[in-house]
Amino acid sequence: KAGVTQTPRYLIKTRGQQVTLSCSPISGHRSVSWYQQTPGQGLQFLFEYFSETQRNKGNFPGRFSGRQFSNSRSEMNVSTLELGDSALYLCASRTDRATNEKLFFGSGTQLSVL
Amino acid sequence: QKEVEQNSGPLSVPEGAIASLNCTYSDRGSQSFFWYRQYSGKSPELIMSIYSNGDKEDGRFTAQLNKASQYVSLLIRDSQPSDSATYLCAVNDGDSWGKLQFGAGTQVVVTP
Repeated sequence: KAGVTQTPRYLIKTRGQQVTLSCSPISGHRSVSWYQQTPGQGLQFLFEYFSETQRNKGNFPGRFSGRQFSNSRSEMNVSTLELGDSALYLCASRTDRATNEKLFFGSGTQLSVL
Repeated sequence: QKEVEQNSGPLSVPEGAIASLNCTYSDRGSQSFFWYRQYSGKSPELIMSIYSNGDKEDGRFTAQLNKASQYVSLLIRDSQPSDSATYLCAVNDGDSWGKLQFGAGTQVVVTP
């Protein structure tokens, strides 16, 4: 079974630009979460989607948004990029049949904002 | 503010020895606990999950959970150079379905 797939693997943008990251969950997984990882802040929760609805949101500004499609694929968008948005963005999926389910991560998108 | 605290590293372990990693959490509503391994430049890989008090063994890894003390640990027996990585403790957020709180991670360095 294929794992969580994220594209692109690397992105270089400049301040003020916008970026869209894509995530395809493991087949059969309906919940998709996004995390930001930086050396200073570690792994921080951005948001979670289930059945095309945002179910949870972390403490990030409104520049960070996302959506989920009917096939469970998800996209994350960051508008008006800032230098501090440089990070590894990780997508993770789970089937969502129980609260104790394991979360599986994709390879991530490394975003560099210049 | 819900917190997950881990030993600050790096933790240097001789090859063949036991590496002991500790994690404490503040959210008493947490019910699920995970250990992820992350190699440099790679994404986190799930290596252990534990939901009940006590020990859970999987190969060379043993996870220990004590909910009363809000403490979870990971033991790596017979440490190998390939175990050199950052180990992340993750705890589910008791108020938010599907959200994990992560510790900062402990870097383990296994020396030959």
